[in-house]
Amino acid sequence: EAGVTQFPSHSVIEKGQTVTLRCDPISGHDNLYWYRRVMGKEIKFLLHFVKESKQDESGMPNNRFLAERTGGTYSTLKVQPAELEDSGVYFCASSQVTGGYGYTFGSGTRLTVV
Amino acid sequence: AQSVTQLDSQVPVFEEAPVELRCNYSSSVSVYLFWYVQYPNQGLQLLLKYLSGSTLVKGINGFEAEFNKSQTSFHLRKPSVHISDTAEYFCAVSVGGTALIFGKGTTLSVSS
Repeated sequence: EAGVTQFPSHSVIEKGQTVTLRCDPISGHDNLYWYRRVMGKEIKFLLHFVKESKQDESGMPNNRFLAERTGGTYSTLKVQPAELEDSGVYFCASSQVTGGYGYTFGSGTRLTVV
Repeated sequence: AQSVTQLDSQVPVFEEAPVELRCNYSSSVSVYLFWYVQYPNQGLQLLLKYLSGSTLVKGINGFEAEFNKSQTSFHLRKPSVHISDTAEYFCAVSVGGTALIFGKGTTLSVSS
C-alpha cells in the first residue's frame, strides 16, 4: 500500500511569491489533514477534509492560505502571497476513520520563504 | 484548552542505556494519547497510542508508555536504546475530535 505522498519535498521561494503544496493521501482514506511546524514550535493543526468538504479549518492562520481537495482525492495547499513567517514544514496526513487516531503522515514539505 | 508539555527538549544517552521521555498534558476531559517519532528526513511515524483499557501501552521498536491519569502524564520508555533510535519524538493528545495537539518534541541522541 502506498503511503501519504507529499511534494515537493522542499521549496524555496521569495517573499510575495505563490507556492502550492500537494498531498496524495492513501487510497480510500476519506479524511485528510494538514499540519504545520514552524521552526522551534509545535506541530499545529491547520485543517481537516472529509472527502472534498472542509470539516474543520480552525487552524488556518489567515486568508493567504487556501486548501482544496477537488473530487475528494488529492489536496493542495496554496500560500499566496508567501511571507517569511510561513517558513516551516507542512505535513499532510490521512485516515480511514475520524477521531484523532489512525493517522498516516507524509514526509512533509519544507517551505523556506526568503 | 488542551495542551501538551514535553519536559525535555534534548535527551542524550549512551547506547544500551535506558531512556524515559517525559510528557504531561492538561485536559479537563478524557483524551487519547500518542507518541510519534520522526527519523531524519522522514515523516511522522506512530510509535504507540492509548485510547482506553490497560494503562501500559506497548509500541513498536521496543518502546512502551504508561498513562497516568492522576498525574496527567504519558511518559515514553525504552529499557535499552540503540543508535538507530536517534530521532525526534513527539507526544500528542486528541480530545475525541480529529485534531492532534502536539508537544514541542524531544530530540533523543544515542551515542556509542
